Amino acid sequence: SQLAEENSWALSVHEGESVTVNCSYKTSITALQWYRQKSGKGPAQLILIRSNEREKRNGRLRATLDTSSQSSSLSITATRCEDTAVYFCATETNTGKLTFGDGTVLTVKP
Amino acid sequence: EAAVTQSPRNKVAVTGGKVTLSCNQTNNHNNMYWYRQDTGHGLRLIHYSYGAGSTEKGDIPDGYKASRPSQENFSLILELATPSQTSVYFCASGDRGQDTQYFGPGTRLLVL
Repeated sequence: SQLAEENSWALSVHEGESVTVNCSYKTSITALQWYRQKSGKGPAQLILIRSNEREKRNGRLRATLDTSSQSSSLSITATRCEDTAVYFCATETNTGKLTFGDGTVLTVKP
Repeated sequence: EAAVTQSPRNKVAVTGGKVTLSCNQTNNHNNMYWYRQDTGHGLRLIHYSYGAGSTEKGDIPDGYKASRPSQENFSLILELATPSQTSVYFCASGDRGQDTQYFGPGTRLLVL
């Protein structure tokens, strides 16, 4: 079974709107990372939130972590067309290895 | 930002043939990783390494070998390629004690 999974396969918004991608996981973690993968590229880290943190921000991005419900969210405000990508959550355990979810495809329309 | 390069970028192989995918990183990171990504799915860890001379099995190591001859280079070897190994392969590097992994652009492998 998936150790990490995003809760939506695909989301679509218009430029300027806000959007939230949700992730749930099934194991004890040391951190949760959000990655973005644009078409034809490798993933790039957006935010890392440690297990003792509840919220982390990076510009227009805001990640939350709820270890009691084993869930995380990534919110993007004022979306732009260039935010179109696949968004992955990845859980990190004390082994240092990452386990990726299947990803959420986000499309931002003009 | 870390620079991770992969070669080749695209590869067509025949069933039963040997395939070697190469990865190079220029930021002196200790850790390197090989993942595969199948359409509509996330990345799955095949092998990883903590430094030159070390290789460790990831979550799906069957059918793959890895080699880390130097700090900079990490190879993934398919001794007997099968069509089920058709996928996109990503290499990543990261520094010891740091959580961020930096990914290469990927190698698209088609096994016929």
